[in-house]
Amino acid sequence: DVKVTQSSRYLVKRTGEKVFLECVQDMDHENMFWYRQDPGLGLRLIYFSYDVKMKEKGDIPEGYSVSREKKERFSLILESASTNQTSMYLCASATGDILYEQYFGPGTRLTVT
Amino acid sequence: AQKVTQAQTEISVVEKEDVTLDCVYETRDTTYYLFWYKQPPSGELVFLIRRNSFDEQNEISGRYSWNFQKSTSSFNFTITASQVVDSAVYFCALRVVIGYKLSFGAGTTVTVRA
Repeated sequence: DVKVTQSSRYLVKRTGEKVFLECVQDMDHENMFWYRQDPGLGLRLIYFSYDVKMKEKGDIPEGYSVSREKKERFSLILESASTNQTSMYLCASATGDILYEQYFGPGTRLTVT
Repeated sequence: AQKVTQAQTEISVVEKEDVTLDCVYETRDTTYYLFWYKQPPSGELVFLIRRNSFDEQNEISGRYSWNFQKSTSSFNFTITASQVVDSAVYFCALRVVIGYKLSFGAGTTVTVRA
């Protein structure tokens, strides 16, 4: 079974802190994604990566950056956390196959105070 | 641009009732893929089904069934004889051939009461 793990289920940070969210997948997938989930808005794509060191902006990249140094690991970075970044963050991975479905991690609920 | 609309925010039913979740999509592409995901209280989205735009056959999997109608741009999902374990948020999503992006609807929260 595909396994996508995220470093924390719950995280509380202060405004202005630098925050790292880690995601690891064990299925050698080429593609990895970071979403945020907010009530009434569904999932919105922040960034995705289709290969090591490659990344593309999604719909809402402002205030975020990403890093993919190894194929299995995709990190989301909040350079200076703000209260409007309080949200559920979901990581996903997928093969490069056109028919792929994305496999999701359990999510990290981040609260910025 | 792609858009997915799930007009129902919340649905509450009593166990054994049937429940239908609506999904309407917009795209100019002729080739695309539609998905349904389930998000139980544990938080992890679980893939349920994928359907491509050339395959309009309805599909049934146990108590789940899907009705895809290109003429109305809809991909509706029915849970027959609902159970408490069906309580979750359900998302409909759309992907076109070019690009990696999945466009998600806002989700429908289904609550099944015993």
